[in-house]
Amino acid sequence: AQSVTQLGSHVSVSEGALVLLRCNYSSSVPPYLFWYVQYPNQGLQLLLKYTSAATLVKGINGFEAEFKKSETSFHLTKPSAHMSDAAEYFCAVYDKIIFGKGTRLHILP
Amino acid sequence: NAGVTQTPKFQVLKTGQSMTLQCAQDMNHNSMYWYRQDPGMGLRLIYYSASEGTTDKGEVPNGYNVSRLNKREFSLRLESAAPSQTSVYFCASSALQGVKAYEQYFGPGTRLTVT
Repeated sequence: AQSVTQLGSHVSVSEGALVLLRCNYSSSVPPYLFWYVQYPNQGLQLLLKYTSAATLVKGINGFEAEFKKSETSFHLTKPSAHMSDAAEYFCAVYDKIIFGKGTRLHILP
Repeated sequence: NAGVTQTPKFQVLKTGQSMTLQCAQDMNHNSMYWYRQDPGMGLRLIYYSASEGTTDKGEVPNGYNVSRLNKREFSLRLESAAPSQTSVYFCASSALQGVKAYEQYFGPGTRLTVT
């Protein structure tokens, strides 16, 4: 069965540091992979989508994610964290519709 | 465009009461979804409707029913609320085709407490 695992329920980085949020999917390659962001008391917003057209996907707010089939991973990165990036981030697959449990990103001043 | 709207925003129910959560989208999307979000559990799919006239169970359908009233509207009904249904409920919609296929747009959520 398809599954999504996000490593780390909480991640803290200093402002200006690299952000790395990890996502692994189960062995069968899903047709679509997504990252969503949720700010407090709001619904989710799409950050980026992988559709097999390119392994490196650029999203909004300076985020990008790289699809690595050999590692069954789709990690989210941002070169320089900003205070406004503090939120919860969800990885998702669209084969069966499955979301990861989320990673809360904390930005340290 | 309002996007995806949900009503009500907050609701408190007593065990055994019933209620319907309403969702509407104005993006002409074919697919609509209902999720619940609980701390540490992420989002779990309750029901979805791939297109008007169809509905399918998701991961956690027990205790819920849905109605795809038309292309715009997708309601979620709790027939006999239980404390385990205390959660935040999100509705979402997506296109089935095109460059934005399967990109979900979410409503603001309904915070439900069952006492």
